[in-house]
Amino acid sequence: GDSVTQMEGPVTLSEEAFLTINCTYTATGYPSLFWYVQYPGEGLQLLLKATKADDKGSNKGFEATYRKETTSFHLEKGSVQVSDSAVYFCALSDRGGDDKIIFGKGTRLHILP
Amino acid sequence: NAGVTQTPKFQVLKTGQSMTLQCAQDMNHEYMSWYRQDPGMGLRLIHYSVGAGITDQGEVPNGYNVSRSTTEDFPLRLLSAAPSQTSVYFCASRGRITDTQYFGPGTRLTVL
Repeated sequence: GDSVTQMEGPVTLSEEAFLTINCTYTATGYPSLFWYVQYPGEGLQLLLKATKADDKGSNKGFEATYRKETTSFHLEKGSVQVSDSAVYFCALSDRGGDDKIIFGKGTRLHILP
Repeated sequence: NAGVTQTPKFQVLKTGQSMTLQCAQDMNHEYMSWYRQDPGMGLRLIHYSVGAGITDQGEVPNGYNVSRSTTEDFPLRLLSAAPSQTSVYFCASRGRITDTQYFGPGTRLTVL
């Protein structure tokens, strides 16, 4: 079945460091790919998405590119801030499959001032 | 728009008690889902619905019931609470066409 694998955390970085959180997927159809963010004490909210191969999603300085050849959707940010501290979830929605949204296990990010 | 709302925010139950977690959305979304979030496990799908009157099981449905009598509401029932059901529960909704899922603020449940 469909699945999402993302790097385990926690990830701890200093402010202004470069961030990469790896995400790979398996899917039977043609999935859309997402990154969701969960701030402390809150529900998840969509950070960015990409719906087809080679699309780049971007928001709040974060970017991720849909790479079909490597089945990856890595999240990057050039200069992180303390306010980026949160849990980040990679996810896919496979409309050619069973149309559910499948989440990775989440990566906790700590940014030190 | 209120989006997706959940009540209560916190709940403590004793083993064997039953209760209903409420979820409502005002975006006229067809799809609604319940997830539980546990440390190191990410989000696991409990039950979902693709429209009023239609529900299906997710990854971890045992011990939970759902119904979808209206488009707006999707309550989750715990029939006989167990300590293993201690978790944070999230309700989510999305439209039939859009892929974007909207989440409620969560219910933190403790079963003693």
